[in-house]
Amino acid sequence: EADIYQTPRYLVIGTGKKITLECSQTMGHDKMYWYQQDPGMELHLIHYSYGVNSTEKGDLSSESTVSRIRTEHFPLTLESARPSHTSQYLCASSESAGSSYEQYFGPGTRLTVT
Amino acid sequence: GNSVTQMEGPVTLSEEAFLTINCTYTATGYPSLFWYVQYPGEGLQLLLKATKADDKGSNKGFEATYRKETTSFHLEKGSVQVSDSAVYFCALLVRDTGRRALTFGSGTRLQVQP
Repeated sequence: EADIYQTPRYLVIGTGKKITLECSQTMGHDKMYWYQQDPGMELHLIHYSYGVNSTEKGDLSSESTVSRIRTEHFPLTLESARPSHTSQYLCASSESAGSSYEQYFGPGTRLTVT
Repeated sequence: GNSVTQMEGPVTLSEEAFLTINCTYTATGYPSLFWYVQYPGEGLQLLLKATKADDKGSNKGFEATYRKETTSFHLEKGSVQVSDSAVYFCALLVRDTGRRALTFGSGTRLQVQP
């Protein structure tokens, strides 16, 4: 059973507000990821982290930012939300070593910006 | 670059019917292949995986075989149940990249009718 948590599960917020989506995992995984899932279901990598103090942009350009101050925590922040940010955001983590390559996903945060 | 192509949905079947969801890929290196499932309102769960050519991944009655010659990883199940209704994602991960991020297909929605 995956131990990766996301809060909030659902968020409706007005344009211009600052928001932070939380993601935490208790598996001690070094690698963590944020994916954006559009209404057509496609998933796109927007951020990833190799470990503490390491963050990189993903394949899809995003106005969001991330931080990795602790191994278990990988929050995503939008400084000024816009309707175009409406989407589902999925957090994932994986081991650094070994051959498993399995990524464990959180339940997601569904964000609606009005 | 890397890409995954899945058959478009929705796929609508009657209970106990045979399921095939096609998946083909292109990859710059030697990929590991995965099928993830997303139930309504939830995150993604790993369904099965294969890490080298001719490997067969299997779980919960689902199977997929890594076919390097046809660059395919088709998902099959002999007898579907209503509880299998979900969105299925084919994905790949190229092992020689440090970030180990998944490249997803666009997802196939399966609807099983009683």
